[in-house]
Amino acid sequence: KNQVEQSPQSLIILEGKNCTLQCNYTVSPFSNLRWYKQDTGRGPVSLTIMTFSENTKSNGRYTATLDADTKQSSLHITASQLSDSASYICVVRIEGGSYIPTFGRGTSLIVHP
Amino acid sequence: DTGVSQNPRHKITKRGQNVTFRCDPISEHNRLYWYRQTLGQGPEFLTYFQNEAQLEKSRLLSDRFSAERPKGSFSTLEIQRTEQGDSAMYLCASSLLAGGLYEQYFGPGTRLTVT
Repeated sequence: KNQVEQSPQSLIILEGKNCTLQCNYTVSPFSNLRWYKQDTGRGPVSLTIMTFSENTKSNGRYTATLDADTKQSSLHITASQLSDSASYICVVRIEGGSYIPTFGRGTSLIVHP
Repeated sequence: DTGVSQNPRHKITKRGQNVTFRCDPISEHNRLYWYRQTLGQGPEFLTYFQNEAQLEKSRLLSDRFSAERPKGSFSTLEIQRTEQGDSAMYLCASSLLAGGLYEQYFGPGTRLTVT
């Protein structure tokens, strides 16, 4: 069964600190992996997309890594800001077949001043 | 605003009533998706359209749920005889296939509360 597991479930950090969120998946055959940011009461917004051949990709203070061999991805947030408080969702899509992506449950990040 | 829009943003209804939500995708996008999201969970796929054709439906989509996209543009999601378990955020997303790396752009969602 295709699954996406995220950890931690929730995280509280102080403003200015760095943090790393984890995503493990069993989706196969792998096509691509996205990280979304979802503010409370809003729809998810894409941060990065990574394909099989990509190991790391940055979007401002967000850096995603992918290890396709171990089927793990991480999202690193540098110098966190209060506006980073949100849910971060890992989404994996398979190659061919169904176009329906598999969503993780998300990591809830709270940044305190 | 050229993003995905959803209406209404909030809906409170009594159990047993019917409700209908609307989604207007980004105009050139030919794919449209409906998801349901409960608190603390990721979105769960309900159904998707390519143009006006409904290509896939989740087992989550019971007989009380129906979705349409009659002209391949906007879509409606209707829930008949609502139950308290239907309370959730209903998200719509649209995408344009581009080499398989198409991104789904999400709307703000419709929050349904069934009392």
